[in-house]
Amino acid sequence: KAGVTQTPRYLIKTRGQQVTLSCSPISGHRSVSWYQQTPGQGLQFLFEYFSETQRNKGNFPGRFSGRQFSNSRSEMNVSTLELGDSALYLCASSLGSLAGPPTGELFFGEGSRLTVL
Amino acid sequence: GQQLNQSPQSMFIQEGEDVSMNCTSSSIFNTWLWYKQDPGEGPVLLIALYKAGELTSNGRLTAQFGITRKDSFLNISASIPSDVGIYFCAGQNYGGSQGNLIFGKGTKLSVKP
Repeated sequence: KAGVTQTPRYLIKTRGQQVTLSCSPISGHRSVSWYQQTPGQGLQFLFEYFSETQRNKGNFPGRFSGRQFSNSRSEMNVSTLELGDSALYLCASSLGSLAGPPTGELFFGEGSRLTVL
Repeated sequence: GQQLNQSPQSMFIQEGEDVSMNCTSSSIFNTWLWYKQDPGEGPVLLIALYKAGELTSNGRLTAQFGITRKDSFLNISASIPSDVGIYFCAGQNYGGSQGNLIFGKGTKLSVKP
């Protein structure tokens, strides 16, 4: 079955602009998580969505937001871009469960590499 | 917040050698996971551990969930060139508003020149 698809793969923006990244999870997966990966900080959790609801949020400013649609596809948005937002943004999906905790067994996409100039 | 110390940061391997890496934390986790990331790709899950003391293998890979729940290690036996990449440990707690993964900074495996 198709894996996690992220678009766009690469993009360049300038400071102050905003960006929207898209993620299509594996068919049947209802949980979508977003992570930011930088050489200095490594992989940092942004947020997790399940059934269109944000279940968890990491320690990122309010400029970082996301949403999930009824078909489980997710988008994340970063407003008022700063140079430090340059990173690889990874989306990961998992089956998820209403009753149980979020599983750590994540399936990652190839990422969207954002460069802010 | 919780942090994971992963070591070594990098290592060189020669084909056929065994490789060991580990991860420690100042706080406990309910789940430990090991991922591998190849250049230009997202991390791929190698092994998931759910119980303190658990030892799990996946082919030439073996990982253990430390008894104290504050550490985990990964061994790769008889390394081959395709083992090159970055290996990440990750810990997870759940309950309340938690559930996200905390990742180590990674161990980069390269081929010995």
